[in-house]
Amino acid sequence: GAGVSQSPSNKVTEKGKDVELRCDPISGHTALYWYRQSLGQGLEFLIYFQGNSAPDKSGLPSDRFSAERTGGSVSTLTIQRTQQEDSAVYLCASSSLTNTEAFFGQGTRLTVV
Amino acid sequence: AQSVTQLGSHVSVSEGALVLLRCNYSSSVPPYLFWYVQYPNQGLQLLLKYTTGATLVKGINGFEAEFKKSETSFHLTKPSAHMSDAAEYFCAVTINAGKSTFGDGTTLTVKP
Repeated sequence: GAGVSQSPSNKVTEKGKDVELRCDPISGHTALYWYRQSLGQGLEFLIYFQGNSAPDKSGLPSDRFSAERTGGSVSTLTIQRTQQEDSAVYLCASSSLTNTEAFFGQGTRLTVV
Repeated sequence: AQSVTQLGSHVSVSEGALVLLRCNYSSSVPPYLFWYVQYPNQGLQLLLKYTTGATLVKGINGFEAEFKKSETSFHLTKPSAHMSDAAEYFCAVTINAGKSTFGDGTTLTVKP
């Protein structure tokens, strides 16, 4: 696609439920990132993929968070047993090997009630 | 490993005044440096970037930044602030084709 696409754009879920957030990076981009942005806060790094592998997953806040990437393309961020503190905007970005600029999606706004 | 420090989480200027947003980085190898802008309820978009070559880089909307290796800085400036510049600004550093590391962001307020 022309840009990074994230779905859904908004998600409201009940505490304790699992959620899946999807990211479609720009075609051909090998690097993919997930960030979290809480209200009024900066960007919190979650995980970085190069191809299908994740050389850096140091930012995942707990074992309730996991992510995978298949075919070097689409990535899914899964949050199990959601808590209210998980409420935030989850941003995905991708970049290529030759151009290290990161292109961001519009984000998924997650609200846990 | 690399890191980014943005000095000042909030900066307020009057319309028409100089904008200066500070960014210092730490990197063991020559970095690529970026400034991104985020308008309310939107994703981040690239303002400008430094990779190699000229150390003064110009971006969109009249912004520019200068890479100063000796000071490990990449401060963002604009000679005359406009109301539409009110947004959050993020400095980022990338080494080769690796992970981008972002600063905590600076919220710019422009007063009429």
